[in-house]
Formats: sequence, C-alpha cells, structure tokens
Amino acid sequence: DAEITQSPRHKITETGRQVTLACHQTWNHNNMFWYRQDLGHGLRLIHYSYGVQDTNKGEVSDGYSVSRSNTEDLPLTLESAASSQTSVYFCASSEGLVGDTQYFGPGTRLTVL
Amino acid sequence: QKEVEQDPGPLSVPEGAIVSLNCTYSNSAFQYFMWYRQYSRKGPELLMYTYSSGNKEDGRFTAQVDKSSKYISLFIRDSQPSDSATYLCAMSVGGSARQLTFGSGTQLTVLP
Repeated sequence: DAEITQSPRHKITETGRQVTLACHQTWNHNNMFWYRQDLGHGLRLIHYSYGVQDTNKGEVSDGYSVSRSNTEDLPLTLESAASSQTSVYFCASSEGLVGDTQYFGPGTRLTVL
Repeated sequence: QKEVEQDPGPLSVPEGAIVSLNCTYSNSAFQYFMWYRQYSRKGPELLMYTYSSGNKEDGRFTAQVDKSSKYISLFIRDSQPSDSATYLCAMSVGGSARQLTFGSGTQLTVLP
C-alpha cells in the first residue's frame, strides 16, 4: 500500500547541531509539505514543494530549509537547532487536484536541549 | 490576531450528545474549508471537506460554512467514545491540496 513515512520518529539533539528529518511518500504525489505542531498554535506550515526542484517558504520558515531532488522525498533540515524548534513535525503530501486531501505522516517528535 | 481562531477546549461530553465545534477566520479569500481529526500521537486525517458556503453531511458528521460571517462549524451527532480526538479546522485559498491554514485544534473527549 502507498504510504508516507517519517524518520526518525523521536530525536533528541543539542542546541547548535544540524538536524535532518526525513519524509518519504510512495504515492508519487507532486505536492509535499512540512508542518510543525505546538500547543496553542495548531499546525503551522514551514516549507512546501509543488514538484521536483520547487521549494517555497511557509509561515514559519526561519531556521529551516528543504530540498526536492526527486518526487518521493522532502527532507527538512534545521541548520542550527534552537530550543524554540522543539516541536512535533509532520510531513504531508497531496496529488494537487482541487478537492484532494493532504495525507499526513505519523510525525517526528524533536527535542532540542 | 491569528487568521483562523478555534476554541482549544478541552470539551468533554457524554456519549450520545451532539457536539458543536467552531472556527472563525479573517481572510475572505479562503474558499476551501476542511475538518481534520487527529488521534493522540498520530497525524491528522481529513474528516470533512467543503467548498465555499453551505452544508455537507457525511453520516454522523455535518460541516457548515457561512462565508458572510467567516464562520465554520462541525456537528457530530450521537457522539461515540471513538470520536475522542483533537479536531482541527483548516482553510485554503487555492484548494484542499495546496497551502492550508489551520486552527489551533479543539480537544474532544466523549465519555461512555
């Protein structure tokens, strides 16, 4: 069955380290998204991509970067992790048709000490 | 002020009750309105999707959109303990598959 996976599921890192969170989908979807979820804020969009080599900044992109070299993967990199980036990160993908849904991965819980 | 406001709850109701969840928004360009359900430690999953104003019904769930008031609602009839989850409203200008703006979520517990 097609799916969307995230790894690692849990990560503890230290302030200042570079961290990369992986997202892989097997639906061959064009659109991929990264969100962070914090209490009181719901899901906030970090970066998104509408196809290979396309990346765009979302609402809370500072300190994060993404690259899209193939259809299946959209890794999220924290260049220099900060305690404010402690959060649960969700990746999502969609086919791009109006009315289509976004399918979410299981999430990565990141703690920055 | 946030673009989308949602009462965070928590909301606790007895089994069989009618539940009303609501969101208000400020961006009049939103055309697509969604409700996602998120169980604890899981990713959100789409529950209801509505384009523009009006009502949509799916089993025990009814979604309402009032664009003139910038107000959307989700009603759950005959609520069940399995409905216990966080409910997130989401909105989009360009379609449900494009950039979404989410509310903060309402945590619902249905007591048996």
